[in-house]
Amino acid sequence: GNSVTQMEGPVTLSEEAFLTINCTYTATGYPSLFWYVQYPGEGLQLLLKATKADDKGSNKGFEATYRKETTSFHLEKGSVQVSDSAVYFCALTPYNQGGKLIFGQGTELSVKP
Amino acid sequence: DGGITQSPKYLFRKEGQNVTLSCEQNLNHDAMYWYRQDPGQGLRLIYYSQIVNDFQKGDIAEGYSVSREKKESFPLTVTSAQKNPTAFYLCASRPADTDTQYFGPGTRLTVL
Repeated sequence: GNSVTQMEGPVTLSEEAFLTINCTYTATGYPSLFWYVQYPGEGLQLLLKATKADDKGSNKGFEATYRKETTSFHLEKGSVQVSDSAVYFCALTPYNQGGKLIFGQGTELSVKP
Repeated sequence: DGGITQSPKYLFRKEGQNVTLSCEQNLNHDAMYWYRQDPGQGLRLIYYSQIVNDFQKGDIAEGYSVSREKKESFPLTVTSAQKNPTAFYLCASRPADTDTQYFGPGTRLTVL
């Protein structure tokens, strides 16, 4: 079946630290991969996506590379800010299943000044 | 402004009552989705609809019902058969030419 596994949180970092949030997946075929971000009490916002192997998604200083050989899509940022504090969700869209998203459990990030 | 609206933001109901959550979009998106979020967990798919007058069950459809009479609207009814309805409910929509979903702000339902 299709599934997504993220590293458990919460993750606490100091401002300007390097961020990595690990995400691995299990899927048949070639899913699209996503990172969404959720700020407290709000809905989800798309952060970045990648649709095929070796694609790199990037946005607002965040990056993730679609690694088919390791079935991973780790999220990275070189220098986090307090405003990056949120919950981050890794997700995939299985091929030909109506576009539904399958989510990991989310990783809470807290950045301290 | 184009977007997805969900109302109300907070909803309280007594146990045993049905309740309907609203989701409206003016993005002209074809597909719409309902997800449930519980504390510390990822989102789980309840129902989805790819075209008007058609919808499919997701992974946790029991105790829920939906309708899709208009392209813009996809209301979710939480019935009394849903054993643990207290949760944060998120609606999303997707245009036909992409696999990216866009989310509304969510409705937090508390059943007392």
